[in-house]
Amino acid sequence: QVQLQQSGPTLVKPSQTLSLTCVISGDSVNSISDSWNWIRQSPSRGLEWLGKTYYRSKWYNEYAAFVKSRLTIDVDTPKNQFSLHLTSVTPEDTAVYYCARDGPASAWHFDYWGRGTLVTVSS
Amino acid sequence: DIVMTQTPLSLSVTPGQPASISCKSSQNLLHSDGRTYLFWFLQKPGQSPQLLIYEVSSRLSGVPDRFSGSGSGTDFTLKISRVEAEDVGVYYCMHGKQLPPTFGQGTKLEI
Repeated sequence: QVQLQQSGPTLVKPSQTLSLTCVISGDSVNSISDSWNWIRQSPSRGLEWLGKTYYRSKWYNEYAAFVKSRLTIDVDTPKNQFSLHLTSVTPEDTAVYYCARDGPASAWHFDYWGRGTLVTVSS
Repeated sequence: DIVMTQTPLSLSVTPGQPASISCKSSQNLLHSDGRTYLFWFLQKPGQSPQLLIYEVSSRLSGVPDRFSGSGSGTDFTLKISRVEAEDVGVYYCMHGKQLPPTFGQGTKLEI
């Protein structure tokens, strides 16, 4: 059974960097059949896919255009985890952030999700 | 980006009765590989979204067969044949034809 355990601060000041980590159990971050995603949800913007990382002989990242200049997703393979780093945050980045696996059965097959982290951007 | 539009935005159903949710995309979701990447999720109160159906009509393992998906091109439907109390929550459609995947605004199902 795959489980995704999220951690990170719930309050971030404007202009700072929001960093969250997702620890994977029951699967491997360097699986060649999966990808590892960050998705957020807010009342005003709904569910938004932010980006993903995946390993196919080498590491790849893909980001949504609206956050591409501010978002980095990186991996710690010994710890079997991946992390989101969103720079220069504003109150509009306040949201519940989820990590999710895109599993092998299909493309964009978000079959396992973390429990979500409510991050508030406020001074 | 592809826009996903769901109707209705809310639905009140008596247990045992059917329910239907429509999802329309702004572009044809048929991929060049011949597959149609249209997904349905249910977000129960206080929980993360959970995948119900992938590629229009394939149920994830463990999803009751009262849930069914259909459609093609730009028009898709999720049907629940007999609604149960545990089905309450918000249903979302999502496409995966191209970057970025985008979600519908959600349909809230109440009993």
